[in-house]
Amino acid sequence: AQKITQTQPGMFVQEKEAVTLDCTYDTSDPSYGLFWYKQPSSGEMIFLIYQGSYDQQNATEGRYSLNFQKARKSANLVISASQLGDSAMYFCAMRDYSGSARQLTFGSGTQLTVLP
Amino acid sequence: DAGITQSPRHKVTETGTPVTLRCHQTENHRYMYWYRQDPGHGLRLIHYSYGVKDTDKGEVSDGYSVSRSKTEDFLLTLESATSSQTSVYFCAISERGQGIGEKLFFGSGTQLSVL
Repeated sequence: AQKITQTQPGMFVQEKEAVTLDCTYDTSDPSYGLFWYKQPSSGEMIFLIYQGSYDQQNATEGRYSLNFQKARKSANLVISASQLGDSAMYFCAMRDYSGSARQLTFGSGTQLTVLP
Repeated sequence: DAGITQSPRHKVTETGTPVTLRCHQTENHRYMYWYRQDPGHGLRLIHYSYGVKDTDKGEVSDGYSVSRSKTEDFLLTLESATSSQTSVYFCAISERGQGIGEKLFFGSGTQLSVL
């Protein structure tokens, strides 16, 4: 079963504007973690932000914030004041207690393009 | 940056040939992972290791084997490569691997083409 869903294959945003990348997840575990990674055209995977299921406040890291809505099982990434360097593929991922690895399960990604 | 080196960075091979990809880390992290990245699928776990000689299967393990004889090295082997194994392969590491909030650090990836 698909555990992480990213419904936006591609997104466009004007430079300096904010953009929201959607992510919904599915788990029956009460304890889980949600991650966002950025993959620029150079190919490396860069960790951006983390949200734990028991965290009371939404996570923020500089211009990145995570809009965590537990009841809706969504963990959307918000990028404020977009920059040209934000153009990249963005992946949402989740770890819960299912499976012995507590592996990170990834969504299919959203390609963000920032327009000048 | 996490000290993770993948080799080779690019490889072209023919169907039916064996291929070994290497991941080397200098962080002394316990957990190591192999993922493959394909369009429309994100990253999917192939195999992982939780210590020397301790490995287990991931979501898409068929056709792949792994070995970890030293903490720093994790090898991924395609015994007989097929065109469906054309992909970008990522190695990742995590320090303990047990915490929900444990993040993964990734290598730069290996582009493998099977003709």
